[in-house]
Amino acid sequence: AQSVTQPDARVTVSEGASLQLRCKYSYSATPYLFWYVQYPRQGLQLLLKYYSGDPVVQGVNSFEAEFSKSNSSFHLQKASVHWSDSAVYFCALGNNNNAPRFGAGTKLSVKP
Amino acid sequence: ETAVFQTPNYHVTQVGNEVSFNCKQTLGHDTMYWYKQDSKKLLKIMFSYNNKQLIVNETVPRRFSPQSSDKAHLNLRIKSVEPEDSAVYLCASSRTNTEVFFGKGTRLTVV
Repeated sequence: AQSVTQPDARVTVSEGASLQLRCKYSYSATPYLFWYVQYPRQGLQLLLKYYSGDPVVQGVNSFEAEFSKSNSSFHLQKASVHWSDSAVYFCALGNNNNAPRFGAGTKLSVKP
Repeated sequence: ETAVFQTPNYHVTQVGNEVSFNCKQTLGHDTMYWYKQDSKKLLKIMFSYNNKQLIVNETVPRRFSPQSSDKAHLNLRIKSVEPEDSAVYLCASSRTNTEVFFGKGTRLTVV
């Protein structure tokens, strides 16, 4: 079975601060991992993806994530957040046989 | 740039009515999906479909059915809506279960 857990339903940070959104996965093999962002009344947009290779992946808008097989994690990070980063962030896990499964999402609020 | 197009954006209907939502993708992908997003933002896969196989999430009620005319289109029909069907329905596509591209969603309200 595959599953994705985002332990933080809500995160609030000040503008300019660093950010980490946590994601843990459960899967027996090496998964495909994704981070998506959803702005109000929009669909989900891909931020970054990991298939294999370098465990640190770069994405759009200066987001990056680090894959850790030992910790079964794929945390999203950003060095300095902007108010426009306020949104809901989803971690997702995929493989060749099943549709991607999504975590419950983390709502990020950036205080001015 | 949106390449998965959903219509309508919103739909309000009464319990027991039939509704149908349209989805088209222009990415040339071979797999399409319908996800349901509830009021708490939880995303659940309902169907995945390519030109060979339909995979149905076993928790989806039988009043829901996907309809496809070709690999670029996957519509969703709900035969007799119920209040718990109120949600945002997101259509998506991908190449063989790689990253998924989403439409903007159809918000259904059942009164």
